[in-house]
Amino acid sequence: GAVVSQHPSWVICKSGTSVKIECRSLDFQATTMFWYRQFPKQSLMLMATSNEGSKATYEQGVEKDKFLINHASLTLSTLTVTSAHPEDSSFYICSAPGQLNEKLFFGSGTQLSVL
Amino acid sequence: QQPVQSPQAVILREGEDAVINCSSSKALYSVHWYRQKHGEAPVFLMILLKGGEQKGHDKISASFNEKKQQSSLYLTASQLSYSGTYFCGTEINKGDYKLSFGAGTTVTVRA
Repeated sequence: GAVVSQHPSWVICKSGTSVKIECRSLDFQATTMFWYRQFPKQSLMLMATSNEGSKATYEQGVEKDKFLINHASLTLSTLTVTSAHPEDSSFYICSAPGQLNEKLFFGSGTQLSVL
Repeated sequence: QQPVQSPQAVILREGEDAVINCSSSKALYSVHWYRQKHGEAPVFLMILLKGGEQKGHDKISASFNEKKQQSSLYLTASQLSYSGTYFCGTEINKGDYKLSFGAGTTVTVRA
């Protein structure tokens, strides 16, 4: 089946620094990828839709200048959390729709801790 | 808008059954069910498409009532491996894959 690889699995950074998270579709092409954020014991909240070759679409309330998304190829989308603060600490998960069916494949997630 | 999931949590003994409900205020194209273990990514269980279908995988099945915009997930003869948090994800427009997830139902299965 289709595999979505997400890296890194966890990252600890100092407040004010930037962190990049990568999401790759390993054996299929993904013109669209989704980025979710999940706080402890809460649901997955869609942050943005990443579109290959064009600008990402952000959900209401998500700062596009803080959460930079780049989808430069059909297999790679990146999320950069700029000037991270402790309140940005969360579990970030990417996903991509498979080509043969209608389900979403999720990456393994990235636990971000900002000190 | 997020779908409403119930119950919030359920505790079962091995072999017992449980039902998790998911309802939306909007017309849906599909409902997706996922299970997530702590610290891991959600794992796909099944999709139900508009048409009021019912699906099953092993002893986990689901139904979708499109008139009521409701879906239910049925855990039958639960096993220890069924423990986790179950999320329903609803899709409004066919093919956009933009899922809104419910708050989740934490299932604990005890021996």
